[in-house]
Amino acid sequence: AQSVTQPDIHITVSEGASLELRCNYSYGATPYLFWYVQSPGQGLQLLLKYFSGDTLVQGIKGFEAEFKRSQSSFNLRKPSVHWSDAAEYFCAVANAGNNRKLIWGLGTSLAVNP
Amino acid sequence: GAVVSQHPSWVICKSGTSVKIECRSLDFQATTMFWYRQFPKQSLMLMATSNEGSKATYEQGVEKDKFLINHASLTLSTLTVTSAHPEDSSFYICSARVEGTSGEQYFGPGTRLTVT
Repeated sequence: AQSVTQPDIHITVSEGASLELRCNYSYGATPYLFWYVQSPGQGLQLLLKYFSGDTLVQGIKGFEAEFKRSQSSFNLRKPSVHWSDAAEYFCAVANAGNNRKLIWGLGTSLAVNP
Repeated sequence: GAVVSQHPSWVICKSGTSVKIECRSLDFQATTMFWYRQFPKQSLMLMATSNEGSKATYEQGVEKDKFLINHASLTLSTLTVTSAHPEDSSFYICSARVEGTSGEQYFGPGTRLTVT
């Protein structure tokens, strides 16, 4: 069965430090992968996506993610975190059905220390 | 582009009444929309998939007679919570899938429902 695992429930980093949020997936075919961010009081926003091609994808707000098929991973990174990055981050994979439902990870809550 | 709105943003209703939540794609057409429920500090739970002009497909365990979904146009889907109970209190989120893409969804800001 398809699944997405985000091993870290909560992460705290200092402002200016680098960030890596982990995501592992289980999927039989080439996955369509996404990272979304949910800030307090705001809707989910698409950070970046991977469909095919270059395994390092760039997103908005300075985020990037790398698809590693051998590790079934799609980790999200940012070289220097800003206080405004504090939010909930969700990794998701789209299934192959006609409606392309998203299978969600449980999320990682990011706190940023000043 | 790809903006999705939801209305209302929050609503309080009494037990036994019904409440309707609207989801609109503002700058694109969405054949497929999704309705989610999110509990505090938890991930999104897919309730149903809404396809324009056809019946919604509900996930296992979701009561279709309680959560009525109508997708009457390419820009509007509605979720009606019928005979609401306090346990229906939650954060409801809709999303719309961009046609011709490989699954990315754009989300509304959510509706906080409180049933008293």
